[in-house]
Amino acid sequence: EVQLVESGGGLVQPGRSLRLSCAASGFTFDDYAMHWVRQAPGKGLEWVSGISWNSGSIGYADSVKGRFTISRDNAKNSLYLQMNSLRAEDTALYYCAKDSDGSANRYFDYWGQGTLVTVSS
Amino acid sequence: SYVLTQPPSVSVAPGQTARITCGGNNIGSKSVHWYQQKPGQAPVLVVYDDSDRPSGIPERFSGSNSGNTATLTISRVEAGDEADYYCQVWDSSSDLHVFGGGTKLTVL
Repeated sequence: EVQLVESGGGLVQPGRSLRLSCAASGFTFDDYAMHWVRQAPGKGLEWVSGISWNSGSIGYADSVKGRFTISRDNAKNSLYLQMNSLRAEDTALYYCAKDSDGSANRYFDYWGQGTLVTVSS
Repeated sequence: SYVLTQPPSVSVAPGQTARITCGGNNIGSKSVHWYQQKPGQAPVLVVYDDSDRPSGIPERFSGSNSGNTATLTISRVEAGDEADYYCQVWDSSSDLHVFGGGTKLTVL
C-alpha cells in the first residue's frame, strides 16, 4: 500500500523559513518523480514543485521560484521542500504527491494527507 | 502561462448524468487528468490520460478531450459523488503542471 506522510508544517512568521518532509513507503521510491501541491484555505489546488526520480529534472511554480527548493533522498525514501522568505500567501495545506512515472510530467496517482503551513506574525 | 477554466459549480439529481468541463487553448493536444476531492480529504485521481480510469474507480466515471474542451462525465450520479473536481495538465511549453480552478458538484 502506497503511503505518503508529510511533516514539518506549523506557524511561522513572514520572512522566516520552514522545511517540509514527506516519508514514502509501499512503492519503489527511486523509480518515481515526486511533487508538492498546495491548497490555500477554501481555495483550489496549486502545483508548487516537482522532482524527477534522479533529481535530474526539477521545476517550480512561478509563485515560489527562487524561494523554495525541492530535494529528495532516495536512500531514505524521502522528499523535502525547503521554504525560505515565507509570505502570508504561502499559507496552505501542502500535499506530497507521487507522479505516475519518473519524469515529473505526468499525473499524481497518490497523495498524502497534507501538512498545514501558516505564515503569520 | 496555460490556463484551465472550469465552471465553479454543477448540480445534478441522483441517477442523472453530470458533465464537468475543463477549457483550455487546444487542450485536445494535451493529456488531461481529473481529481476528486471530498471535504477534509486529499485529492483522488479518478481519470488519467483523458479517459482512463485507475483501478478501483467506478466505470460511472469517464472522460473525453477534444478541441478546446475536456469533459469529465459521471453517470448515474450518487450522493457520494458530491465533491470538488479538478482537471490538470502538463504544459510542456512552460514545464509547469496546471490545475483548473475546480468545480463543486452538488447532488440535489
